[in-house]
Amino acid sequence: AQKITQTQPGMFVQEKEAVTLDCTYDTSDPSYGLFWYKQPSSGEMIFLIYQGSYDQQNATEGRYSLNFQKARKSANLVISASQLGDSAMYFCAMFVGFKSSSNTGNQFYFGTGTSLTVIP
Amino acid sequence: KAGVTQTPRYLIKTRGQQVTLSCSPISGHRSVSWYQQTPGQGLQFLFEYFSETQRNKGNFPGRFSGRQFSNSRSEMNVSTLELGDSALYLCASSFIVGYGYTFGSGTRLTVV
Repeated sequence: AQKITQTQPGMFVQEKEAVTLDCTYDTSDPSYGLFWYKQPSSGEMIFLIYQGSYDQQNATEGRYSLNFQKARKSANLVISASQLGDSAMYFCAMFVGFKSSSNTGNQFYFGTGTSLTVIP
Repeated sequence: KAGVTQTPRYLIKTRGQQVTLSCSPISGHRSVSWYQQTPGQGLQFLFEYFSETQRNKGNFPGRFSGRQFSNSRSEMNVSTLELGDSALYLCASSFIVGYGYTFGSGTRLTVV
């Protein structure tokens, strides 16, 4: 069974500090993608970063980096130099059945989210 | 370029009514999927369409249905609304399945 687990319901971080949001996943499919999304109070899900299961290097996108440890099945998001605008819900997601338009079993699996509050 | 557009943004319906939500994907995107988000259940997959065909369906009752048109726009319909259907409904589109999904701002449905 596919599963995404985020164990931190809420996190606080001082402005300009770095913060790590935890995510572990479970799947038996060798091909999968891991995503992080940010959801501000407006509701829109904003794509932050992606890591493919076969990618050798950790993904980075500006202040966001994904600490991918395949053996541990973890995909933690690291936000460096936190800003007040980073306060939001953060969701880890996994897509299984990757890039296969003929595979009818693929979908996103989302974690329960982590609420991040950046303190001035 | 324009993002994923969901209409309406907010909706209030009475129990027993039916509702139709609309999603216009990014131009060129052929995959559209729908998700329900509630405080209790989190984000749950409803269904996915690719080139007008439903390719996958989540574990929701038959009251939830959808379709995709030839221009890739998608609609989601919920019949016989229940109080528990109150949620944020998110639509996401992608050029190909499984990569580069962009979400819309969602439709917040309240059933009273």
